[in-house]
Amino acid sequence: GENVEQHPSTLSVQEGDSAVIKCTYSDSASNYFPWYKQELGKRPQLIIDIRSNVGEKKDQRIAVTLNKTAKHFSLHITETQPEDSAVYFCAARIDSGGGADGLTFGKGTHLIIQP
Amino acid sequence: DTAVSQTPKYLVTQMGNDKSIKCEQNLGHDTMYWYKQDSKKFLKIMFSYNNKELIINETVPNRFSPKSPDKAHLNLHINSLELGDSAVYFCASSPTGTISGANVLTFGAGSRLTVL
Repeated sequence: GENVEQHPSTLSVQEGDSAVIKCTYSDSASNYFPWYKQELGKRPQLIIDIRSNVGEKKDQRIAVTLNKTAKHFSLHITETQPEDSAVYFCAARIDSGGGADGLTFGKGTHLIIQP
Repeated sequence: DTAVSQTPKYLVTQMGNDKSIKCEQNLGHDTMYWYKQDSKKFLKIMFSYNNKELIINETVPNRFSPKSPDKAHLNLHINSLELGDSAVYFCASSPTGTISGANVLTFGAGSRLTVL
């Protein structure tokens, strides 16, 4: 099955600086890569996703890049703000279009924004 | 109006007991899931149901039994609870198919199970 590695496990940055979280996956057939944000005591929520026919996607301060050859993808957050503090999960799956396969998640990165 | 709702939010029980967690979604999604999040925050899929049919059953003890009476509901029943079952259990749902947004998970608020 798919295996997703995520690092770092904890990342502390100064407010206003950029943060980068990296993930690698094992199954070359995976073609859907979402990122979820989980605030303390809350549910995970999708913040951005990318499919394998795209190399980069941006949404305001958040961007995701994908390198299919190397089987890794990254989340970039610019101009970090206190409300960005949370646990971030990357995930991967094979999106066959008709199935119900679940996401395989990385182990999460605890992002801490220092004031 | 909550999209994915699960009850109870908190559950404290003794070892050996049997308990259930209920989940309902009003999004019209075809697929529902149960995920377990342990104390280290690791999210691991347990089960996936598509239109009431079991699709994924990861390596989970058979003390855990999902039940899907219809495609809007997926309940989780746990027999003979053990200390290691303590975790937050998240229900989730997603549409399937090739439409934009397919397979995006919407999570419930989680049910924190504590086994004493």
